[in-house]
Amino acid sequence: GAVVSQHPSRVICKSGTSVKIECRSLDFQATTMFWYRQFPKKSLMLMATSNEGSKATYEQGVEKDKFLINHASLTLSTLTVTSAHPEDSSFYICSARDHRRQSNTEAFFGQGTRLTVV
Amino acid sequence: LAKTTQPISMDSYEGQEVNITCSHNNIATNDYITWYQQFPSQGPRFIIQGYKTKVTNEVASLFIPADRKSSTLSLPRVSLSDTAVYYCLVGESPSSASKIIFGSGTRLSIRP
Repeated sequence: GAVVSQHPSRVICKSGTSVKIECRSLDFQATTMFWYRQFPKKSLMLMATSNEGSKATYEQGVEKDKFLINHASLTLSTLTVTSAHPEDSSFYICSARDHRRQSNTEAFFGQGTRLTVV
Repeated sequence: LAKTTQPISMDSYEGQEVNITCSHNNIATNDYITWYQQFPSQGPRFIIQGYKTKVTNEVASLFIPADRKSSTLSLPRVSLSDTAVYYCLVGESPSSASKIIFGSGTRLSIRP
């Protein structure tokens, strides 16, 4: 089945630094990828939709200058948390769909990245 | 996007059949129903998807009544490893641009 890989799976950074998270579709092409964040015991919250070759679409309340998204190719999207603060500590998850499949298809999710800002 | 309502939590025992019901009163004609499973510190994993009546795969069954305003995920003979959060989602499945919005999910706990 289709696989989405995130890297790193876990990262600790100091306040004020930036962190980049990669999301790759390993065996399919994804024109669109989605980025979520999840706090403990809470559901996934959609942050933005990443479109290959164009600007990302951010959900209401998500700072686009804080969470930079780049979708440079059909298999790679990156999320950069800029000037991270402790409140940015969370579990970040990406998702992608295989656009070649014409039938109803599920989305595939990465394994997530646990970000801790100290 | 149709709003979904699920029980916040459920408990059961190993070997039992577990049924989790999701309400989606405002489901649209083009909407499909999809269930995902999430373990702690992992991304969600697809379980099953359906449009109407019944769908069965090697993991679960999905029952959808004629009015499609609800759906029931059925997990046969659960084990401890089925302890997870289960999300019911409703939306236009085939569209690559469709957002996937998660509801609160149901936290299922399986006991020995």
